[in-house]
Amino acid sequence: GAGVSQSPSNKVTEKGKDVELRCDPISGHTALYWYRQRLGQGLEFLIYFQGNSAPDKSGLPSDRFSAERTGESVSTLTIQRTQQEDSAVYLCASSLMGQGNTGELFFGEGSRLTVL
Amino acid sequence: QKEVEQNSGPLSVPEGAIASLNCTYSDRVSQSFFWYRQYSGKSPELIMSIYSNGDKEDGRFTAQLNKASQYVSLLIRDSQPSDSATYLCAVNMFTDKLIFGTGTRLQVFP
Repeated sequence: GAGVSQSPSNKVTEKGKDVELRCDPISGHTALYWYRQRLGQGLEFLIYFQGNSAPDKSGLPSDRFSAERTGESVSTLTIQRTQQEDSAVYLCASSLMGQGNTGELFFGEGSRLTVL
Repeated sequence: QKEVEQNSGPLSVPEGAIASLNCTYSDRVSQSFFWYRQYSGKSPELIMSIYSNGDKEDGRFTAQLNKASQYVSLLIRDSQPSDSATYLCAVNMFTDKLIFGTGTRLQVFP
């Protein structure tokens, strides 16, 4: 497929477990974004990558959250020692543009995380 | 002060009316502004982008930007029930991150 792909689409985990969420951006898109959306809320910025570098990590809620991107392609968002407040839909988006000229973001379908 | 602010709504308009959605932002150096639409249970999709002061029209949609007032708006003419969704304002910030407002829920009733 040509769109942004995220996996898993649904993840149920127990409090205290680690989870990894994966994002495959559109081929050739240099910018990649992670957002969190709690039920009935807006999009909360987490981190964005330009290439494999993350110029702005200011949105990561705590040191339990980390993200990396390799090969200017796949990105993984890792949440360690999950808490119930981490329950949300995690959205990944990619963009062809960046460096001060943010273009259209194409979103994946999201990974819905439920922490019991 | 939130970086991007929107009235959460719901904004209810009758079919055929004009819906007016508003957004203010805090960063004076912001250069790129976007309106995304999000249907319930779906991911956001871009409907309009605007970069210069003034109006930009695309079909039934018109985006308006006033950088001096740090204000962006979206007008939807001839509103249809299919326009019922949450409309998210997004602003490019100094470090290139794209910040979204909390969204305005629009309801168009027949």
